[in-house]
Amino acid sequence: AQSVSQHNHHVILSEAASLELGCNYSYGGTVNLFWYVQYPGQHLQLLLKYFSGDPLVKGIKGFEAEFIKSKFSFNLRKPSVQWSDTAEYFCAVNEPGANNLFFGTGTRLTVIP
Amino acid sequence: ETGVTQSPTHLIKTRGQQVTLRCSSQSGHNTVSWYQQALGQGPQFIFQYYREEENGRGNFPPRFSGLQFPNYSSELNVNALELDDSALYLCASSYYTGELFFGEGSRLTVL
Repeated sequence: AQSVSQHNHHVILSEAASLELGCNYSYGGTVNLFWYVQYPGQHLQLLLKYFSGDPLVKGIKGFEAEFIKSKFSFNLRKPSVQWSDTAEYFCAVNEPGANNLFFGTGTRLTVIP
Repeated sequence: ETGVTQSPTHLIKTRGQQVTLRCSSQSGHNTVSWYQQALGQGPQFIFQYYREEENGRGNFPPRFSGLQFPNYSSELNVNALELDDSALYLCASSYYTGELFFGEGSRLTVL
């Protein structure tokens, strides 16, 4: 079975600091990778996704993620965070064509103005 | 807004009772997935419905059941509620295996 690890449970940054959230998955085959964000009181929404091709993926709101197959990793980055990025971030994985996502436990990001 | 609406938003039940949660999918979507998000955890896949049939199931017991209606809306039913069923229940709609669009969830508390 697939699993996803997010080792950072809570990250606190000041505005303009750079962000990197770790995500590792366990599955030997081809995978689709996702980052979702959940702002306080709002629904989960997709930040970015990787299916194939260029391992550096750009998403909404200035976020990007890099797929490193050899490390089974898909870390999320943003060069300069804003207070409005305060949210819970979830990494997820599935097999191509599969009907379910496996989510990590999430990382809570707090950005201090 | 995603166009996925869930009801009720909050509810409280006691152990042993039954609960029904409802989800209206986004226009144009024919697939509905349900996830359970316990406190401090990521969402866990319960099952998916496509064309009114269950189309995949996670590691949840049979007392978790569902329905999908011809208009693609869906229900999640949980029988014989246990304390550990307390969680946020998320519905997500999609077009086949495309991008999931989540609702805001139904928060269930079991006392």
